[in-house]
Amino acid sequence: QAVVTQEPSLTVSPGGTVTLTCGSSTGAVTSGHYPYWFQQKPGQAPRTLIYDTSNKHSWTPARFSGSLLGGKAALTLSGAQPEDEADYYCFLSYNGARVFGGGTKLTVL
Amino acid sequence: EVQLVESGGGLVQPGGSLRLSCAASGFNFRSYWMHWVRQAPGKGLVWVSRINSDGSTIIYADSVKGRCTTSRDNAKNTLYLQMNSLRAEDTAVYYCASSGDTGYWGQGTLVTVSS
Repeated sequence: QAVVTQEPSLTVSPGGTVTLTCGSSTGAVTSGHYPYWFQQKPGQAPRTLIYDTSNKHSWTPARFSGSLLGGKAALTLSGAQPEDEADYYCFLSYNGARVFGGGTKLTVL
Repeated sequence: EVQLVESGGGLVQPGGSLRLSCAASGFNFRSYWMHWVRQAPGKGLVWVSRINSDGSTIIYADSVKGRCTTSRDNAKNTLYLQMNSLRAEDTAVYYCASSGDTGYWGQGTLVTVSS
């Protein structure tokens, strides 16, 4: 089974920009992995932010964007807000099966 | 209002079985692939299974293959997860989630496997 890797933790200053990445043990992440990004705050269910690499939901704040960057999927937060402090998970598709990354704990400080 | 409401969790002994349900409302459930995802206490998200819109294709994580069966009843707008031969490591909150341009999640149901 493939392993999906994420930064365990990142810190961003309020108003700053940060990029979270999502890599695959099988090689470069492509659009064919249909990357998703999820946000989870303590005690809450996850929330889907991005699907199929870069598509946003109606509830996704405009400051979040998804892309492919350097062989990885990427989630960029531009203009971080205190309420963005959360765990972020990516999720890749491998011939129909899905694998989550271990998650990135994002601190806004 | 869109809702995904999981039910059926609880305390079960090792080797036992449980059937989880996920009742959907407020969106066109029958058109979307659905996932089961679990999260052990204090741990990350783990994908469990995916079922396509008509239930004809189901894929499982290796960790549950052969012990779990995912199904759906589109007439009842409900997703199911039948879990057998439960182990302590299956203890987790189980979430259902919709795929694609819906992206909805339920609040989860806790399954505790313990003697």
